[in-house]
Amino acid sequence: SAVISQKPSRDICQRGTSLTIQCQVDSQVTMMFWYRQQPGQSLTLIATANQGSEATYESGFVIDKFPISRPNLTFSTLTVSNMSPEDSSIYLCSVEDQGGRAYGYTFGSGTRLTVV
Amino acid sequence: RKEVEQDPGPFNVPEGATVAFNCTYSNSASQSFFWYRQDCRKEPKLLMSVYSSGNEDGRFTAQLNRASQYISLLIRDSKLSDSATYLCAVHTDKLIFGTGTRLQVFP
Repeated sequence: SAVISQKPSRDICQRGTSLTIQCQVDSQVTMMFWYRQQPGQSLTLIATANQGSEATYESGFVIDKFPISRPNLTFSTLTVSNMSPEDSSIYLCSVEDQGGRAYGYTFGSGTRLTVV
Repeated sequence: RKEVEQDPGPFNVPEGATVAFNCTYSNSASQSFFWYRQDCRKEPKLLMSVYSSGNEDGRFTAQLNRASQYISLLIRDSKLSDSATYLCAVHTDKLIFGTGTRLQVFP
């Protein structure tokens, strides 16, 4: 499986500020996925990040709030902009397993964000 | 209707018990199916893929019923270390997760 390094692992931020989360993969991957897991909830897909094109956002998520960069095939960032306490959540990046989507996704260790 | 639905539990079972989780999905075009395990404050980790023919890995058995659109996970001889949240996931054009089922195994 791919190995994903995600940072920061946690942060406490003031409302109105922005936080950028980074994910580095140890192999080249076509797509990277960003998920959110709110307290006590399951994972919700925010967007799919493709190298060289705009990210594709899921319903309820917009680029102005969650801008994504994908400068190359091993790296992506997600920014949580103009944060409010409702953005307190765990944010996870993931990639398809190297064997392909039929083998599931591998996740980074997550970023636990608290907005105060 | 949610795309993927699970009973949230919690399931509290004694060591050695057999426990089964079910998960239903709404999109009949779904292609791949998985069970993930998530420990507290950790990322989800793939437990097993689910195939139409059913598959077994030690004490864990996963099955897929395409006609009824559900997948199941059976854990035999539960161990204390099996305590976690179990998430089913279904892939169509993206991977969608169920809400997770919390399992607590007690001595």
